[in-house]
Amino acid sequence: GQQVMQIPQYQHVQEGEDFTTYCNSSTTLSNIQWYKQRPGGHPVFLIQLVKSGEVKKQKRLTFQFGEAKKNSSLHITATQTTDVGTYFCYGQNFVFGPGTRLSVLP
Amino acid sequence: DAGITQSPRHKVTETGTPVTLRCHQTENHRYMYWYRQDPGHGLRLIHYSYGVKDTDKGEVSDGYSVSRSKTEDFLLTLESATSSQTSVYFCAISRQDSNQPQHFGDGTRLSIL
Repeated sequence: GQQVMQIPQYQHVQEGEDFTTYCNSSTTLSNIQWYKQRPGGHPVFLIQLVKSGEVKKQKRLTFQFGEAKKNSSLHITATQTTDVGTYFCYGQNFVFGPGTRLSVLP
Repeated sequence: DAGITQSPRHKVTETGTPVTLRCHQTENHRYMYWYRQDPGHGLRLIHYSYGVKDTDKGEVSDGYSVSRSKTEDFLLTLESATSSQTSVYFCAISRQDSNQPQHFGDGTRLSIL
């Protein structure tokens, strides 16, 4: 079945540093979604990418969908303490990636 | 946030007792899902529904049953709870199909002693 991997599993950064998480699927995806879950909270939908090579931005967050539609990345510029949480990618067939937990040190 | 309410929010019960979790939505979305979230396992699908009385199994369905008698309600039942079912349970909804964005409830923290 489909497998979705994310790296890194954990990332600790100093406030103001950049952060990137990568998502890789074993199968070609029709689209990819990203979610954020704050500690103690529920996953919240961030964005959906559909086209090969697509790039979308939300303020300090940049999302990319790979040309082969099997991988994606989320990049945060100049992290803030409000960025703390776990970032999940979702491919299809109800499979979420295991997530990358981001800690931001003030 | 989407109008999704999970109840109860917290529950402690004993092994062997039946437990029912409720998910209620006010968005009239077609798809509803039950996930469990455990350390080291991420989010795993238990069951989902694609319409009234239309349900299907997910990755970790053993020991769970579901029912959807109305569009707005999706119930998850543990017929005889076991300690391995201690987890955080999330309900989610999506508008038309599983490839559309999912919106999650606040979760139910279930402890089985």
